[in-house]
Amino acid sequence: EPEVTQTPSHQVTQMGQEVILRCVPISNHLYFYWYRQILGQKVEFLVSFYNNEISEKSEIFDDQFSVERPDGSNFTLKIRSTKLEDSAMYFCASTGQLWGNTEAFFGQGTRLTVV
Amino acid sequence: GDSVTQMEGPVTLSEEAFLTINCTYTATGYPSLFWYVQYPGEGLQLLLKATKADDKGSNKGFEATYRKETTSFHLEKGSVQVSDSAVYFCALSRDANFGNEKLTFGTGTRLTIIP
Repeated sequence: EPEVTQTPSHQVTQMGQEVILRCVPISNHLYFYWYRQILGQKVEFLVSFYNNEISEKSEIFDDQFSVERPDGSNFTLKIRSTKLEDSAMYFCASTGQLWGNTEAFFGQGTRLTVV
Repeated sequence: GDSVTQMEGPVTLSEEAFLTINCTYTATGYPSLFWYVQYPGEGLQLLLKATKADDKGSNKGFEATYRKETTSFHLEKGSVQVSDSAVYFCALSRDANFGNEKLTFGTGTRLTIIP
């Protein structure tokens, strides 16, 4: 069965450092997403990406965040200067069809710890 | 804005017990409703969904009915197994029929089944 893969599974970084979280969505999918879950809180939408541009972003997704699809397979989330409050589990997801009911496929998540 | 409220966990049950995890939502219009499950070490997986009022989603013995009058989508299973131990997330989407399936999640409920 196709799956979304995320790397690394766990990343520890110092405050102020840049991090890049990587995702390989399902190959024929069209929409890509990042979500995050701060420990004990809700899974929150960050951004959706379609046709090589951001289609929607939440208020969490400020100038410190950026997304990119650098080639035909990877989808990355960059945090330019990490803060302690960026510590969370980050989930990548992708969906396929342009029209009709679709299922979002999620990766296993990257746990980011900012120290 | 849209929101999902689900039963606080953790929930611990004995094998073969009856399970209910409550979920209520706030949204304008007619959202689609979902239950996702996360098994240890894995990503979020779609468990079941319902796209309109009075629809019942079902999968692996789990069921949930879309109740617009009570804005609820409670998850039920008649006889749980140890293998059902996981974290369960209730979610909604207002754009599920149009490809962009941005999801609004609840906090998740950790379920542990003891033999």
